[in-house]
Amino acid sequence: GAGVSQSPRYKVAKRGQDVALRCDPISGHVSLFWYQQALGQGPEFLTYFQNEAQLDKSGLPSDRFFAERPEGSVSTLKIQRTQQEDSAVYLCASRLLARAARSYNEQFFGPGTRLTVL
Amino acid sequence: TQLLEQSPQFLSIQEGENLTVYCNSSSVFSSLQWYRQEPGEGPVLLVTVVTGGEVKKLKRLTFQFGDARKDSSLHITAAQPGDTGLYLCAGLLTGANNLFFGTGTRLTVIP
Repeated sequence: GAGVSQSPRYKVAKRGQDVALRCDPISGHVSLFWYQQALGQGPEFLTYFQNEAQLDKSGLPSDRFFAERPEGSVSTLKIQRTQQEDSAVYLCASRLLARAARSYNEQFFGPGTRLTVL
Repeated sequence: TQLLEQSPQFLSIQEGENLTVYCNSSSVFSSLQWYRQEPGEGPVLLVTVVTGGEVKKLKRLTFQFGDARKDSSLHITAAQPGDTGLYLCAGLLTGANNLFFGTGTRLTVIP
């Protein structure tokens, strides 16, 4: 398919385990975003990549969260020493343009990875 | 604390009724978007509004951007069961790249 894909779709981790979540953006999309969505809430921004450069990581909740996009396409969000409060859906989105434009800023979202930390 | 507050948080209505969802902030946005999200899927863009006072229509959905570009509303006419889902507003601040999402409105349309 031509959309954003994420894997795994579901992940159950024991508290203290490390997890890695993968995002395959739409081919050719320059920008990539990670969001965290708690149950029943709107997504909250975690981090932003322009090609391979991580330009904004202001939303990462702690230094246990790490994201990379080494070749400017696939991205991985890693959470070390998971805690129960990390349980959420992690959404990846890609955007064609490098910079947001007022009239065109469509982000295409993947289906998300639901992380449950026991 | 989220930058955009939506109301109501939950809405359950009968098929054929009209409804309005509100999205409010104290911040000024360069543009605002509305997304719909279904269970197990990511949000899907419905519309982008850019100009203060702008009104856009998408079939039975009418979107309005406030004059001061701080708030927006979504009005659905004659709701159908297929309209059921989580509606999210999302704003873009001037100079920013990421979206700030609202708290969400979960709509259920009962046949």
